[in-house]
Amino acid sequence: SQTIHQWPATLVQPVGSPLSLECTVEGTSNPNLYWYRQAAGRGLQLLFYSIGIGQISSEVPQNLSASRPQDRQFILSSKKLLLSDSGFYLCAWRIGQRNTIYFGEGSWLTVV
Amino acid sequence: QKEVEQNSGPLSVPEGAIASLNCTYSDRGSQSFFWYRQYSGKSPELIMFIYSNGDKEDGRFTAQLNKASQYVSLLIRDSQPSDSATYLCAGDSGGYQKVTFGIGTKLQVIP
Repeated sequence: SQTIHQWPATLVQPVGSPLSLECTVEGTSNPNLYWYRQAAGRGLQLLFYSIGIGQISSEVPQNLSASRPQDRQFILSSKKLLLSDSGFYLCAWRIGQRNTIYFGEGSWLTVV
Repeated sequence: QKEVEQNSGPLSVPEGAIASLNCTYSDRGSQSFFWYRQYSGKSPELIMFIYSNGDKEDGRFTAQLNKASQYVSLLIRDSQPSDSATYLCAGDSGGYQKVTFGIGTKLQVIP
């Protein structure tokens, strides 16, 4: 069966520090991969999605970036965090058009 | 214009009643739609997935899709206090690769 792993689960980072969140999917090949952010009390904002290795689409201009170095690995990064980057980050995957989208457990980021 | 729009609520219904949640979308090319339930601080969990016009039922939940009018709805029958959560509507676009979410409707089921 397919599973998705996302880490770290929580982190507290100072303003201006770098960020790296990692997500891996097991049990499937060539998934679409997604990064979402949910600020406190807000909806899910699509940040990046990828349909293949090295293929990244950015939805929101910001100081975040994403990379897909392997088929089932998706990484969210920042060189310098802002206070506004705080939130709940969710990685997700999907196979094909007539299938659901599955979420990881999420990563809580607090920028202080 | 946002791609997927929902009323943020809160929507309050008494226990045992039917809760009706609505969602509209702007991309006529959207094919698949999702309803997720999210408890505070947790990852969303899938409630329903629909891609054909009409109704789809699963237990106490019925999703309705009307592509001509570009809306999706979710009915929850016999609402329970445990159904109190935020319900997220989502749809795909951009040739299905992109999946965007509405802001979510907060549902409160009053015992």
